[in-house]
Amino acid sequence: QVQVVQSGAEVKKPGASVKVSCKASGYAFNSYGISWVRQAPGQGLEWVGWSNPYNGNTRYAQKLQGRVTLTTDTSTSTAYVELRSLTSDDTAVYYCARDIGSAAFDQWGQGTLVTVSS
Amino acid sequence: QSALTQPASVSGSPGQSITISCTGTSSDVGAYNYVSWYQQHPGKAPILMVYGVSDRPSGVSNRFSGSKSGNTASLTISGLQPEDEADYYCSSQTTSSTVVFGGGTKLTVL
Repeated sequence: QVQVVQSGAEVKKPGASVKVSCKASGYAFNSYGISWVRQAPGQGLEWVGWSNPYNGNTRYAQKLQGRVTLTTDTSTSTAYVELRSLTSDDTAVYYCARDIGSAAFDQWGQGTLVTVSS
Repeated sequence: QSALTQPASVSGSPGQSITISCTGTSSDVGAYNYVSWYQQHPGKAPILMVYGVSDRPSGVSNRFSGSKSGNTASLTISGLQPEDEADYYCSSQTTSSTVVFGGGTKLTVL
């Protein structure tokens, strides 16, 4: 069955970087995009960006452009999100999800809490 | 890109039907039939309930249905059940090839 498993919680200081992983299994990794969505405590969902494992293409939310990088490793069916110059506003649960097209995400990881605190 | 507009909360009694609206613009909801709806219980990852405005993934109850008119999409839940109590989010692709979410609606089953 399709599974998406993310790396564990992270605590970072302001100004640092964080990299979260997302390992997919049970389907052809190259055949679907991976989107990342974050959710600050008590807040709604916010789209972070999208990557295409087949050709490496990416798209990013405008407000994060320049601070975020999405990558994929097809040899291990793993996607990554790296966020730099962290501030307390980046404290959130970060989710990866399989993108089935039409901006629809059908399989979600369990979420990774990233806490930014001095 | 501004978030799509959803009511903060809706409520209904078991067995009743409710509708949640999701209003965007001609640059997102109105541009394509690429609206999705997600259900999220506290502390859990979202679950896709409707995609492509009105399609349901395998395994999702037919009590959940979606529609769209102009720049506003809607999710209707019929025959409300206690387990439907959750937060619901709409999303849409935009003409900039990004994705925008709604602010979320808390559904209370009375």
